Amino acid sequence: DTGVSQDPRHKITKRGQNVTFRCDPISEHNRLYWYRQTLGQGPEFLTYFQNEAQLEKSRLLSDRFSAERPKGSFSTLEIQRTEQGDSAMYLCASSQISSTDTQYFGPGTRLTVL
Amino acid sequence: AQKVTQAQTEISVVEKEDVTLDCVYETRDTTYYLFWYKQPPSGELVFLIRRNSFDEQNEISGRYSWNFQKSTSSFNFTITASQVVDSAVYFCALTGSGGSNYKLTFGKGTLLTVNP
Repeated sequence: DTGVSQDPRHKITKRGQNVTFRCDPISEHNRLYWYRQTLGQGPEFLTYFQNEAQLEKSRLLSDRFSAERPKGSFSTLEIQRTEQGDSAMYLCASSQISSTDTQYFGPGTRLTVL
Repeated sequence: AQKVTQAQTEISVVEKEDVTLDCVYETRDTTYYLFWYKQPPSGELVFLIRRNSFDEQNEISGRYSWNFQKSTSSFNFTITASQVVDSAVYFCALTGSGGSNYKLTFGKGTLLTVNP
């Protein structure tokens, strides 16, 4: 069984450009999460899907951010008109609804906005 | 609101020393879950342990052990006979129950360096 995968692993973009990241969860997992981690900090929750429904978005997720999970499988996170403050590691995690519901993380996408 | 505090920013030890990483949490939920994750230089967060608030038994897994004390809201992590491969950032995290049971709240992490 493969783990959570994310693509790309690294992205360098210029301010004002749009970027899109992809996350493929563990196949049987029905919950999917996005977190953002800046240097020297712990990950911070951005948004969460149960199957294809986006159930919560953090205040951190401005209008420039949008996430989708069509068909309840992979998810995409798009950032429009990137700003230098968006530079961070974007982490995806997935879990299975159960008594344990442990989140397993992917390797992350490191975004650098120049 | 939930909060996790890892007061130790960085710890440096020599191989084979024992080391304890501290974690203190705050929550209003009566049922909650505590976690430890390891983040090696590669960047991927690796799950280590999950503990329920109603289970205060300490746990040992190989060289790793965890001490959960509800009375002091602490969930400390000890590595016995540390090895160079243990060098990483370690995060303590918390989720609540009910409506907030999906959202992990992380501490800022402790960078552990194990020197040969």
